[in-house]
Amino acid sequence: DVKVTQSSRYLVKRTGEKVFLECVQDMDHENMFWYRQDPGLGLRLIYFSYDVKMKEKGDIPEGYSVSREKKERFSLILESASTNQTSMYLCASSLQGGGNTEAFFGQGTRLTVV
Amino acid sequence: GQNIDQPTEMTATEGAIVQINCTYQTSGFNGLFWYQQHAGEAPTFLSYNVLDGLEEKGRFSSFLSRSKGYSYLLLKELQMKDSASYLCAVPSSGGYNKLIFGAGTRLAVHP
Repeated sequence: DVKVTQSSRYLVKRTGEKVFLECVQDMDHENMFWYRQDPGLGLRLIYFSYDVKMKEKGDIPEGYSVSREKKERFSLILESASTNQTSMYLCASSLQGGGNTEAFFGQGTRLTVV
Repeated sequence: GQNIDQPTEMTATEGAIVQINCTYQTSGFNGLFWYQQHAGEAPTFLSYNVLDGLEEKGRFSSFLSRSKGYSYLLLKELQMKDSASYLCAVPSSGGYNKLIFGAGTRLAVHP
């Protein structure tokens, strides 16, 4: 069974803390993505990576950074957490190439910043 | 730019048929995805359309009209477990299979 696994389902952090969200996939996918999901806004892309050590900004990268040291692992870092980063964070992976390269999602991390 | 619109909420009765619409604007077209997301869970893949027409997969069908920038997801013989959000998504014109999502349609199925 293919899997994308996020390290935590629920996290509560304080304002100003540095927060690490971890994601691991076992499908040998080249592409990995971090989205945040907020009511009424849908999924918005924060960052993505198409290869080890490669990263590209998505639509809302401010306040975030990422790390991809190994193909299977993609980390999202909140440098200094703020209350407006309270959200559901979803990691996804997919193969490269065109066509029906469906994205597989992790179960999500619900982050609350207090 | 790219934009995707879908209704926010819909309700339907168990056993009925429901159609969830999605309109999109994109500078290049590389197909359209539908995902299902139950509350508190990960989105899961339902369908992919790249050519015009209807693709049927059991109780679920998806339709695409590229000239109209329009797609719909058709759910037949609705079951209570179909209560979920349905997300329409298109690959970004920037490549790398980045998906741009609509805000999702929350479907509530009632007995």
